[in-house]
Amino acid sequence: DAKTTQPTSMDCAEGRAANLPCNHSTISGNEYVYWYRQIHSQGPQYIIHGLKNNETNEMASLIITEDRKSSTLILPHATLRDTAVYYCIVRVRRGGTDKLIFGTGTRLQVFP
Amino acid sequence: SAVISQKPSRDICQRGTSLTIQCQVDSQVTMMFWYRQQPGQSLTLIATANQGSEATYESGFVIDKFPISRPNLTFSTLTVSNMSPEDSSIYLCSVTPGWGTGKTEAFFGQGTRLTVV
Repeated sequence: DAKTTQPTSMDCAEGRAANLPCNHSTISGNEYVYWYRQIHSQGPQYIIHGLKNNETNEMASLIITEDRKSSTLILPHATLRDTAVYYCIVRVRRGGTDKLIFGTGTRLQVFP
Repeated sequence: SAVISQKPSRDICQRGTSLTIQCQVDSQVTMMFWYRQQPGQSLTLIATANQGSEATYESGFVIDKFPISRPNLTFSTLTVSNMSPEDSSIYLCSVTPGWGTGKTEAFFGQGTRLTVV
């Protein structure tokens, strides 16, 4: 019962911006959007999160639409090391506890 | 931040047996989360473990199959009981040390890769 949908896979040329879309049309007003990535056989790595406003950190930018029904993760200058599965996640509250519910993820392949 | 250590990192087990996975955190945390990642799939939340109370299981997961212990604020175990090949997955532990104080990152262990033969 993931609350997010993402494309299964995407390609990006090294040095170019990678724009990864995510739909979360059933998100509630107080639920955060998180992005994590998972490089082969490792634990998920935090990238960025947001609620309403666009966010930027040293790794990426997160653009959230005004209606909050979708968002885009932007890696401004993709490198080969950015090849990974990227998960768009909603932080939901269930049973009085906040939890991360993972979507299916986008496999990003960065090529030379 | 939080550093999570999981043991074992991998194991190959016979069907019908049980395996206990340990998760050790370098700081005290209220909630610990256990996830399963089946081959080629995303992460699915199994249960939430709060120190001093019974774990809360997500739909499709039951205590008899995945008993969880949470003896203190830095440690938890997940047991995969009466294993079958369908239990072959990566099992991951996660903590959220700052969620009650405005910090928002969740940390994950490197996972335990289980193969049941």
